[in-house]
Amino acid sequence: NAGVTQTPKFQVLKTGQSMTLQCAQDMNHEYMSWYRQDPGMGLRLIHYSVGAGITDQGEVPNGYNVSRSTTEDFPLRLLSAAPSQTSVYFCASSYSTGGIDTQYFGPGTRLTVL
Amino acid sequence: DAKTTQPNSMESNEEEPVHLPCNHSTISGTDYIHWYRQLPSQGPEYVIHGLTSNVNNRMASLAIAEDRKSSTLILHRATLRDAAVYYCLHGGGSQGNLIFGKGTKLSVKP
Repeated sequence: NAGVTQTPKFQVLKTGQSMTLQCAQDMNHEYMSWYRQDPGMGLRLIHYSVGAGITDQGEVPNGYNVSRSTTEDFPLRLLSAAPSQTSVYFCASSYSTGGIDTQYFGPGTRLTVL
Repeated sequence: DAKTTQPNSMESNEEEPVHLPCNHSTISGTDYIHWYRQLPSQGPEYVIHGLTSNVNNRMASLAIAEDRKSSTLILHRATLRDAAVYYCLHGGGSQGNLIFGKGTKLSVKP
């Protein structure tokens, strides 16, 4: 099992550009989520999904879109990048909601917006 | 919000036990208590979780107060590789998602 994989590992964008952060898991987990972590801070939940075709907003959803067409993949789209979105992004998955089951985190994508 | 209170930082000596405290006074009766840790430049990793009874696994022990408003993560013999930020969280009942605070930064001295 590869677990949770994220691509790319690093990305630099210019303000206004769009991009998609990829996340995939091979554990057949229903629950997937995206967090961002700013320097010296804890993780903040952006969006989450409880299964294919179902997504919902977390704590800080503005400026991000998600979709879940398959169980395995949960991409995060930045519509128009802003410097405030400079952060490290982590994807996580678990068998059921993260409040009950162990969450497995990916290695992160370090994003810089100039 | 499912908020927890942890000390910002703690220090330990190598091979000594470490007790990391957490207060979670807003916990609901059906919320699990979770501990994760984050090593430098890595994603968080699961440490342990429990509901009411104390729990042990190969990494640590979790002691849960009788009223469940606080818990303690116990590392029985700290190693240099245990230096990390430790997050205490609760969720599952009233809170389906886990809310991360700033955690406790544990330093381990040789």
